[in-house]
Amino acid sequence: SAVISQKPSRDICQRGTSLTIQCQVDSQVTMMFWYRQQPGQSLTLIATANQGSEATYESGFVIDKFPISRPNLTFSTLTVSNMSPEDSSIYLCSVKGASSYEQYFGPGTRLTVT
Amino acid sequence: GNSVTQMEGPVTLSEEAFLTINCTYTATGYPSLFWYVQYPGEGLQLLLKATKADDKGSNKGFEATYRKETTSFHLEKGSVQVSDSAVYFCALSDPGYGGSQGNLIFGKGTKLSVKP
Repeated sequence: SAVISQKPSRDICQRGTSLTIQCQVDSQVTMMFWYRQQPGQSLTLIATANQGSEATYESGFVIDKFPISRPNLTFSTLTVSNMSPEDSSIYLCSVKGASSYEQYFGPGTRLTVT
Repeated sequence: GNSVTQMEGPVTLSEEAFLTINCTYTATGYPSLFWYVQYPGEGLQLLLKATKADDKGSNKGFEATYRKETTSFHLEKGSVQVSDSAVYFCALSDPGYGGSQGNLIFGKGTKLSVKP
């Protein structure tokens, strides 16, 4: 399985500001995803990060609020823009190989918005 | 649409007790099924998987069998330990289409507490 790191591991931010979360993988992977886990809840997919093209967003998530970059096959960023307390969550990236079924997750970024 | 339903928690057991966490799914086509575990303060770890009907996934003493006829993937362990205390998520992955190819759909999670 791939080794995945995320930065920052946690942050406390003021409403109205933006935070960029980085996801780094130790090997090239075909697919990268970004999930949100609200307090005490399950995981919800935000978007699929596509290398060299715009991310594919799930219903309820938009690019203006959650812009995503993926400049290469080992790195992606998720920005949480114009934050409000409702954005307080754990944000996780995951990776998947083209021929594999399973996804592997990073350790997550715990975001608190005050 | 695709969905996963798992038993509500929290579940509290004594050490060495038998564990069952129920999981059922609704899906078009033939999904792959997974159990993930999230230890306190950590990210998700893949616990086990099954990719077709009648497959049994197993790891660390945990087992789950892909039952197509009952659309279930119940997690079991014969003797739990305090170190098994965590939140367990059942998930499915459908080959899917387009940008959501391989997307995971999660159940709500079941918190397990094991007392010594």
